[in-house]
Amino acid sequence: EAGVAQSPRYKIIEKRQSVAFWCNPISGHATLYWYQQILGQGPKLLIQFQNNGVVDDSQLPKDRFSAERLKGVDSTLKIQPAKLEDSAVYLCASSLVAGVGEQYFGPGTRLTVT
Amino acid sequence: QKEVEQNSGPLSVPEGAIASLNCTYSDRGSQSFFWYRQYSGKSPELIMFIYSNGDKEDGRFTAQLNKASQYVSLLIRDSQPSDSATYLCAVNGPVAGGGGSNYKLTFGKGTLLTVNP
Repeated sequence: EAGVAQSPRYKIIEKRQSVAFWCNPISGHATLYWYQQILGQGPKLLIQFQNNGVVDDSQLPKDRFSAERLKGVDSTLKIQPAKLEDSAVYLCASSLVAGVGEQYFGPGTRLTVT
Repeated sequence: QKEVEQNSGPLSVPEGAIASLNCTYSDRGSQSFFWYRQYSGKSPELIMFIYSNGDKEDGRFTAQLNKASQYVSLLIRDSQPSDSATYLCAVNGPVAGGGGSNYKLTFGKGTLLTVNP
């Protein structure tokens, strides 16, 4: 069974530029999550999708971050414009059922904003 | 704001010893509790989860849950250098306004464990 795929693995941009991350969850997993992990901290949930609907986006900075999950499969997270404090690893995870049981994490995208 | 607290460490133990990792949480509505291990530069991977009060054992790992005290712990017996990693406690609780049917994980900051040969 293929795992959660993410791309790119690394990205370096200047502040005020835009960036997009892509995630393809494990086949059949209805729930998809985007987390932000700043160095030395635990993952922070940005947005949680159930199929193509949003379950929770209470910690998503909506003035600059957006996410979509078209057709209930893969997802894109965008930042526009980026700030220095957005430097972090962006982790995508998926699970069979919303918030229950194991979440499987992708390898992450390491973003550096200069 | 729902909180999950862990000692950041580092926790250093000799090889073969028992490592004890602790976690407290603020939301009494939390339903299930997870321990993830994260090696440096890698993604979190699930070690084990626990739903009910008491102990749950899986090989060298034992999770302990006390909902009354809002406390969950992970014991690692016969610690090995390969256990050196950051251990993340994660708590599953209901999403606000989710009608009680949607849940999300809240992670602690993690405890860095070093097992010395």
